[in-house]
Parts: sequence; structure tokens; C-alpha cells
Amino acid sequence: GAVVSQHPSRVICKSGTSVKIECRSLDFQATTMFWYRQFPKQSLMLMATSNEGSKATYEQGVEKDKFLINHASLTLSTLTVTSAHPEDSSFYICSAQDRTNEKLFFGSGTQLSVL
Amino acid sequence: RKEVEQDPGPFNVPEGATVAFNCTYSNSASQSFFWYRQDCRKEPKLLMSVYSSGNEDGRFTAQLNRASQYISLLIRDSKLSDSATYLCVVGLDNYGQNFVFGPGTRLSVLP
Repeated sequence: GAVVSQHPSRVICKSGTSVKIECRSLDFQATTMFWYRQFPKQSLMLMATSNEGSKATYEQGVEKDKFLINHASLTLSTLTVTSAHPEDSSFYICSAQDRTNEKLFFGSGTQLSVL
Repeated sequence: RKEVEQDPGPFNVPEGATVAFNCTYSNSASQSFFWYRQDCRKEPKLLMSVYSSGNEDGRFTAQLNRASQYISLLIRDSKLSDSATYLCVVGLDNYGQNFVFGPGTRLSVLP
């Protein structure tokens, strides 16, 4: 099956620093990637949809200047949490679609802890 | 009303039991339906797609009822390893860019 690699798996950082999370589709081209965040015991909440070569589409309530998304190639999308604060601490997961545009394949997630 | 609803559980069942989950969705134009399984602090993994004709994969059976706008997942002969959160996911269009996740149902299979 399709493989999506997400890195790093865990980040602990000081308040005010920026953190970059990478999401790669290893064995297929992903024209669309999605970024989610998940708080404990809650479901995934879509943050933004990222299309290769164009600006990301952000969900309502998600600050685009806070969460910078870059989808420069068909296999790589990055999420940068700028000037992270403790309330940004969460589990961030990316996903990508295969050519059928039907199924989602998920990265392994990044646990961000901002001190 | 939320777009996709599930009973959060937890469902605590003994090993070997049969357990069923339901998921309701509000948008009658929804096009695709899936069950994902998520272990604690891990990424969701696709369990199965759900088709109108129903589909079965080993101990797992999924059904779709478009008239009543719900999908179901049946797990027979529960194993300890089935303990997880089961997410219902609904695709709202044919372009594959509009997925809505249910809140998930927690299952604990007890020895």
C-alpha cells in the first residue's frame, strides 16, 4: 500500500520558536495533502488542504500566518508552526491521496510539545 | 447537527464477542464512506471502504444505508488486538478533497 512518511515524530520546543514538520509520499505522487491536528481523546480536525504548486486552503479558524504550509513538489508538503506557544501543543498528522482521489494515507504523526 | 456522528463509547466487550458500531451522516450527497482504525497516539489506518452492496473482510463487515444515512461496522469474534478507536469518515464529493471525520468510537476488548 501507499506509504506516507512524516518527520519528526516528536518535538519539544520553547515558546516562541518555529517548528517545521515534513510529510512525504514515498511511493506515489500526491497532488493533494491534508494537515490535521488532534487533541487528546478527540477526532482529527482538518487544518488545511495543500495542493502542489498552489496556496493551501485553510479551514475556518486556522491562522494561515501561524501555520505555514508549503507543497513544493508532488511528494513533499511541509507545515511550519511559527512562534509556537503552549496552546499549539498537539498531535499533528498529514495525509495524502493516491491517484484515485479516493483513499487517504496518513503519516505517523508529530507530537508537538511547546514549553 | 454535526456532519458525522458516532457514539464515542467506550464499548467494553469480552474476547470473542460480536460488536457493532453505527455512524450517521447529515449530508445526503455524500459520495464515499470509510472506516479507519486509530490506536492511541498513532495515525489512523484504513480498515475498509464501505460500499452500497456491503462488504466483508474477514471478521469485519461494513454496511451502508443511504436511505437512513448511516454506515455500520460489525466485528465478529473480537480479539484483544481489536481494541482501538474506530473512525467513520465520509467523503462529501467526488473530487476527494472534502473528507469529514467522525469523533470515533472507542472499543476495549477484555480478556
